[in-house]
Amino acid sequence: DGGITQSPKYLFRKEGQNVTLSCEQNLNHDAMYWYRQDPGQGLRLIYYSQIVNDFQKGDIAEGYSVSREKKESFPLTVTSAQKNPTAFYLCASNGNPNNGEKLFFGSGTQLSVL
Amino acid sequence: AQKVTQAQTEISVVEKEDVTLDCVYETRDTTYYLFWYKQPPSGELVFLIRRNSFDEQNEISGRYSWNFQKSTSSFNFTITASQVVDSAVYFCALVSGNTPLVFGKGTRLSVIA
Repeated sequence: DGGITQSPKYLFRKEGQNVTLSCEQNLNHDAMYWYRQDPGQGLRLIYYSQIVNDFQKGDIAEGYSVSREKKESFPLTVTSAQKNPTAFYLCASNGNPNNGEKLFFGSGTQLSVL
Repeated sequence: AQKVTQAQTEISVVEKEDVTLDCVYETRDTTYYLFWYKQPPSGELVFLIRRNSFDEQNEISGRYSWNFQKSTSSFNFTITASQVVDSAVYFCALVSGNTPLVFGKGTRLSVIA
């Protein structure tokens, strides 16, 4: 079945540690996105990529980094510079971001700080 | 800049009641797309509907209906005869130009048996 796979489902970070959230899609989509969800805050865009080897900052990129070396993969690293990383992280993708195509979402990763 | 406002943070209804979730959007673009997504307790977002700015026809899908009014920049969502399985967080979202999807803060709907 085609879809988006996020792993792990739950992740714990220690003080000063970098952690990486995985996002893989087999939908052959060009564009991929990372959103952060906090209670009562809706979804806020962290980073997005419309093509391999290119990505742009979203509204809350500070403390995060991404790479897009392969079309199917868009990992998100939460660095030690992100002082409040506890949140639910959602990865999404779509084939053509310029014609309002709907986003397909993964099942999310819950990140907590130890 | 694009913006989506969902003024209702939480709504509780008794099963079989009708409920309307409000969504107001802002954009300067004439071509744009509006969406509704459902987020059940499992966390994954489920796509419900997509509407482009040139199509103001209302849509009905089973117990779900959507009212798109450009004059008031609103795209409201009504659930008729609500069921417990409708309990979720519902997000309205907007995309226009080359900007990625912008979400409202969501409305948490609780349907009580």
